[in-house]
Amino acid sequence: DAKTTQPTSMDCAEGRAANLPCNHSTISGNEYVYWYRQIHSQGPQYIIHGLKNNETNEMASLIITEDRKSSTLILPHATLRDTAVYYCIVPSIRNYQLIWGAGTKLIIKP
Amino acid sequence: SAVISQKPSRDICQRGTSLTIQCQVDSQVTMMFWYRQQPGQSLTLIATANQGSEATYESGFVIDKFPISRPNLTFSTLTVSNMSPEDSSIYLCSVVGASGISYNEQFFGPGTRLTVL
Repeated sequence: DAKTTQPTSMDCAEGRAANLPCNHSTISGNEYVYWYRQIHSQGPQYIIHGLKNNETNEMASLIITEDRKSSTLILPHATLRDTAVYYCIVPSIRNYQLIWGAGTKLIIKP
Repeated sequence: SAVISQKPSRDICQRGTSLTIQCQVDSQVTMMFWYRQQPGQSLTLIATANQGSEATYESGFVIDKFPISRPNLTFSTLTVSNMSPEDSSIYLCSVVGASGISYNEQFFGPGTRLTVL
């Protein structure tokens, strides 16, 4: 899998946009970027994925740079329930064989 | 979405014993996986559970220690054999390919928290 680099932790104020960066400079042309999150004491939850175009769904937006070497997950109006560890994953073998890094611990503060 | 349940949700076991964890999905799925999450760590893929054939194990995991069954498209079990305290972890089941859902979205169960004394 392409190696991803994420900050260890981030804080964000409730109601503000949370922007989580991810570097994946070794990504190849046909590899997707996936984001999952894990709320404490729960199983991981799929958020969004993309290849080269920006993507948006009901949970978040994914912005991928033109050179695809980095991406940003945006939670537009963060709530306390968004406190979780967020994982950026670039699977290279099959899109369902996920290799998990340490992720970013996002803390939403009131 | 696919709804996944795991039994037991948690257990405390003595070293040298074995524990079988069950994963039940509310719909037929193509792929089922087992992960381990050690305390304070990220997830590690143990194996892919294949229906009707032996599971495919990742490097560092062997069938004798983690036998897996998948008798049908909605159910799988993972056994942690001859347990030691180092096996204390959360074990998670995940699935891909639920009806009408793309392979890009993987669903996870709530996990089984295992403590080995």
